[in-house]
Amino acid sequence: NAGVTQTPKFRILKIGQSMTLQCTQDMNHNYMYWYRQDPGMGLKLIYYSVGAGITDKGEVPNGYNVSRSTTEDFPLRLELAAPSQTSVYFCASSYRRTGSTDTQYFGPGTRLTVL
Amino acid sequence: QKEVEQDPGPLSVPEGAIVSLNCTYSNSAFQYFMWYRQYSRKGPELLMYTYSSGNKEDGRFTAQVDKSSKYISLFIRDSQPSDSATYLCAMSETSGSRLTFGEGTQLTVNP
Repeated sequence: NAGVTQTPKFRILKIGQSMTLQCTQDMNHNYMYWYRQDPGMGLKLIYYSVGAGITDKGEVPNGYNVSRSTTEDFPLRLELAAPSQTSVYFCASSYRRTGSTDTQYFGPGTRLTVL
Repeated sequence: QKEVEQDPGPLSVPEGAIVSLNCTYSNSAFQYFMWYRQYSRKGPELLMYTYSSGNKEDGRFTAQVDKSSKYISLFIRDSQPSDSATYLCAMSETSGSRLTFGEGTQLTVNP
């Protein structure tokens, strides 16, 4: 199993450009998440999905969009990049069932710089 | 005020030392407590998980939760250079609710 994979590893964007961060998991997990990690701020949840076709906002969703057409893929879209979106982005997945703990498995991250 | 407070460090200790990492929190509804380890330029990985108050031990690692003080700790015994990483605490109200993370403590264990 590759686990959670993310592409690209690094990217530099100009203000106003758009891009999609890719995330794929091969563990047949139902839940998937997008976080951003800024220095001194911990991990903040951007969006999450409970299954194919179902997504919901997290703590910091503004400026981002997501879709989940398959169990495996959960891309994150930045439409109009801004310097405030410079961050490290982590995708995670977990298999939740009633009464169980939510162990989230993280990808290696995408380092995004917006200039 | 942040919901979860964690001293960012950096913390530097000699090999073999006992390390204590701590988080405080303000939300009394938190019941599930986790510690994640994050190596440089990698994603976090779950290290320990605890429900409610008490202790949990796994090898050289011990997690403690004191809900009355809203304080959690992670102890590392006989620390090794391979323990050098950032340690993030995380907590949630239910097993299925959103995780709230601390900002992480950067630990270096010197050989």
